[in-house]
This record gives sequence, C-alpha cells and structure tokens, in this order.
Amino acid sequence: DAGVIQSPRHEVTEMGQEVTLRCKPISGHNSLFWYRQTMMRGLELLIYFNNNVPIDDSGMPEDRFSAKMPNASFSTLKIQPSEPRDSAVYFCASRSDRALTYGYTFGSGTRLTVV
Amino acid sequence: GENVEQHPSTLSVQEGDSAVIKCTYSDSASNYFPWYKQELGKGPQLIIDIRSNVGEKKDQRIAVTLNKTAKHFSLHITETQPEDSAVYFCAASIWAGGTSYGKLTFGQGTILTVHP
Repeated sequence: DAGVIQSPRHEVTEMGQEVTLRCKPISGHNSLFWYRQTMMRGLELLIYFNNNVPIDDSGMPEDRFSAKMPNASFSTLKIQPSEPRDSAVYFCASRSDRALTYGYTFGSGTRLTVV
Repeated sequence: GENVEQHPSTLSVQEGDSAVIKCTYSDSASNYFPWYKQELGKGPQLIIDIRSNVGEKKDQRIAVTLNKTAKHFSLHITETQPEDSAVYFCAASIWAGGTSYGKLTFGQGTILTVHP
C-alpha cells in the first residue's frame, strides 16, 4: 500500500496566485480529511468528506478556500487568491469506516509558502 | 465543540528514562483517544489508541491510560530511546459506529527530546 499521497511536497507562490493541493487517499478508505498545521494553531481540521460528500467544512477559514472530491481516489484543496498568512503545512488523511482501528492515516503533507 | 489541552509542550529526558504526556478533553461524549507521533518532515503517525470502554492499553514500550471521570488521558513511554524524539499529539473523537465520521480534535503537541 502506497499510503496517502499528497502533491506537491513543497509549493512556493506569490501572493494573489491560485494554489491547488492534491491528495490521493488509500484505496478503500471512504473518509478524507484536510488539516492545516502551523506553529501558532497546531493541527486544524479544514474539511472532511465521507463517501466523496463534504460533511463538515466549518473549519475552512474563508471563501478563498475550497475543496472537492470528485471521486473516491482524488481530492483537491484550492486557495484563490493566496495570502502570506496561508503559509503552513497542509495534510490530507484518510480512513475506512469499516476498519478495526479508527485512526487516520496521514500523508506527508504539502509545505506551502506564500510570499 | 471538543477542546483538547496537552501538557507539557516540551519534554526532555535522558535515554532509558520514562516520559509521560498528559491530555484533558472537554466533551464527556468523546470515546476514542488516539496518540500520534510526528517526525520532522513527515505526517503524524498513529502509535496507539484507546477507547472509553478500557482504562489502559499497552504496546511494548508505550502505554495509554484513560480516566473518564476526570476526562484526562496520558501517554507513557518507558525505556526511552533517541529515536523516540519527535512531536507527540493526543486527540479525541466521538465515535458512534458506522454513521460517525471520526472527526478528531488534536492537542497542541509535545516536543519530546531523548538525550543519549
């Protein structure tokens, strides 16, 4: 199993540009979570999907953030326009409702720097 | 919503010593408590978890204890090794079976340093 795959690993962009982060969950997992990690705020849940349907997006900070899950094997998190305060590490995680353990599997993250 | 407090924020121990990290949670309905280890440049990795129907769980050198009445749970690492150095996160969730989506609320993290 390749695990949760995120791309790109690093992204540097200029303020005002559109940024798209990508995630491929583990095959068979039906829940997907996007988290943001910063020193000040720790790990924050942005949005999560179950069976490709967004369940809770209350953590999405602003309308500049949007997320989609067009199928069970792919999700995107988009920031448009990006701002310096969006700089953080963005993690995607997945899990299966049928698993014996309830823990998530995290990807390696995308480090976003907005200059 | 759920709030998870984690202490200490940093912990420094000598190799071979024990390390204890403590967390408290606010929502008495929470019933699932995982611990994650995050190494530099990597995503958090699940190391142990406990459900509210048990008070303690062990896995080799790590153990987790849960006090539902006091709403706190702890991670214990014995015989620490330099490779245990990492950031550790506790988390809490309400798990209600197949229709629950397992949304985790994380603590702020503890930076553990094990000196050789």
